[in-house]
This record gives sequence, structure tokens and C-alpha cells, in this order.
Amino acid sequence: QVQLQESGPGLVKPSETLSLTCTVSGGSTSNYYWSWIRQPPGKGLEWVGHILYSGGTNYNPSLKSRVTISLATSKNQFSLKLTSVTAADTAVYYCARLGIGDRGGWGAFDIWGQETMVTVSS
Amino acid sequence: DIQMTQSPSSLSASLGDRVTITCRASQSISTYLSWYQQKPGKAPKLLIYTASTLQSGVPSRFSGSGSGTDFTLTIGSLQPEDFATYFCQQSYSAPLTFGGGTKVDMK
Repeated sequence: QVQLQESGPGLVKPSETLSLTCTVSGGSTSNYYWSWIRQPPGKGLEWVGHILYSGGTNYNPSLKSRVTISLATSKNQFSLKLTSVTAADTAVYYCARLGIGDRGGWGAFDIWGQETMVTVSS
Repeated sequence: DIQMTQSPSSLSASLGDRVTITCRASQSISTYLSWYQQKPGKAPKLLIYTASTLQSGVPSRFSGSGSGTDFTLTIGSLQPEDFATYFCQQSYSAPLTFGGGTKVDMK
């Protein structure tokens, strides 16, 4: 079955760029949205953004100026870049598969990667 | 942004209890509502989508209902593995948003 695996540094310095990659195994990136979600320590879940298998993206407006999500279809990977990070970006980051809902809209996050803790600190 | 408000934020229950969690959207989201279960140190797990459709492999004691702005997740008979935090999430419009969570612990 499809599995997701995040990779990337667990520590990032303030003002630098957070970069994470999610590898999709057991299936292809076709026909789904590929998402990033984060959860600050002790807090709730925040959608960061997603990319459609064909390349279209949607980002959370609260992060939009700093976020880029890209897809490498040949590698079965998608990536997150978050620039100019601060301590407020410290969180567990998840990659997740988002289904295509009825009438072409969004469905549910049906597959999640394991958690990746990213700490922003000097 | 659509705000998702869950209640209660926490509850204590006993094995075998029927548990109900409520999620209210700040505007109508039709049935674009999903429920997730999260255990400490683990990624969330999808339980219910389109408000009432049970995800494959999820026990039938879980059920969802509602449409528009008011939704409910019900656990028919609480089992030991059900002690966890539950989140609702809307996919009606961006930004996709989650409820604040309901922690279910043992009475």
C-alpha cells in the first residue's frame, strides 16, 4: 500500500529556509493532491498547502509569501520549502495525501507520513 | 477562513460508553467534513470522510453525521484503543482548516 516518508533537517536557524521532502512508495503521485500539514508542540493541526499531481498549488494565506511546494514525479517525491523561519515555525511537520473529492474538489487526508519534528533555533 | 469549533475540548469516559463529539463550522460546508484520530507521537488517522462515510478498515463503532454547519462523531461503545484525540477538518474551501481537537481519556 502507499506509504509516505518525510526527510530533512530537524534543526533550522532563524531566518533560514526549512526544507523537507516526502517520498511516496507503493504507488504513484497521480490523481491526488500532496500536502504538508504542521502541528506546533501541544497545539492543533495547521494545513500548510498542497500540490496537485498536475502541478497546481494551494497555500495557506498565512504562510503564502514564504511557502513553496514542488513535485518531482520521476522521483515520486514532493517537497516543502519555508523561507525566513522563526521560532513560530517550530512544529511537527507531516506530509499527507489528499484525495480528490466530488466535483473535483478536495477530499480527506487519507494517508500520512510519520511525524518530523523541526525546531527553529540558533 | 472557515473556523471549525469542536466541543468538548476534552472528556472522560469509561469502557463501553457511548461518546459523542461535536464540530461546528463557521459557515456551511455541505458534507465536506472529515474526522481523524490521533494518538501521542503518531500521525492522525482518517476515520470518517464526507461527514458520514467510514474509511476502509475503521471499526463500525465509529459513525459520523451532519451537514451544513453541525456535525457529530459518535463512538458507539468505547474500547481501550479509542482513548486518543479527535479532530474534525473541512475541505469545502481553502485554507483547509481543522478543529481544535477533543481529547478522550479514561474516567
